[in-house]
Amino acid sequence: NAGVTQTPKFQVLKTGQSMTLQCAQDMNHEYMSWYRQDPGMGLRLIHYSVGAGITDQGEVPNGYNVSRSTTEDFPLRLLSAAPSQTSVYFCASRRTGYNSPLHFGNGTRLTVT
Amino acid sequence: RKEVEQDPGPFNVPEGATVAFNCTYSNSASQSFFWYRQDCRKEPKLLMSVYSSGNEDGRFTAQLNRASQYISLLIRDSKLSDSATYLCVVGRNNDMRFGAGTRLTVKP
Repeated sequence: NAGVTQTPKFQVLKTGQSMTLQCAQDMNHEYMSWYRQDPGMGLRLIHYSVGAGITDQGEVPNGYNVSRSTTEDFPLRLLSAAPSQTSVYFCASRRTGYNSPLHFGNGTRLTVT
Repeated sequence: RKEVEQDPGPFNVPEGATVAFNCTYSNSASQSFFWYRQDCRKEPKLLMSVYSSGNEDGRFTAQLNRASQYISLLIRDSKLSDSATYLCVVGRNNDMRFGAGTRLTVKP
């Protein structure tokens, strides 16, 4: 099983550019989420989804959009990249149920210049 | 105050040592608790879930103290391969909050 697959692994953007980070999972997990990880800050939740057609904001949603048209895919869109969005982004999924752990993709390293 | 707090370390210990990490959380309604391991520039990977009665997996023991709102991780007989950052995760409904991590280095 591939698990959670993220693309691209690395990306460099100029300020103001837009892009989409892709995330797909093949475990039939209802819950999918996006985190960003910055030094000393831990992972912070950007957006999450509990099923197709349902999304909600996390801790740091500003500057990001998501949609969930299928169970498998949960893309993250940066509408107008800013240097403050330079970070490592992780997509994660899990089964619903309060004690189900998160399964992570390999991450995307994004630099905005 | 952060919702989930960990001592960032670093903890530098010799092989064979026992080391313990604590993680405190502020939301008393939290329902789920996990420890993850993260190697440099890699994704976090589940180490173990933490259950109310405490649980053990080989050299690793996790405990939950709801009254004092902390979870702990004990590593016995440390190996060089245990060197990593250990993240605690506390969840309530669909909101999973991460600590910033504790860095462990095990030395020969």
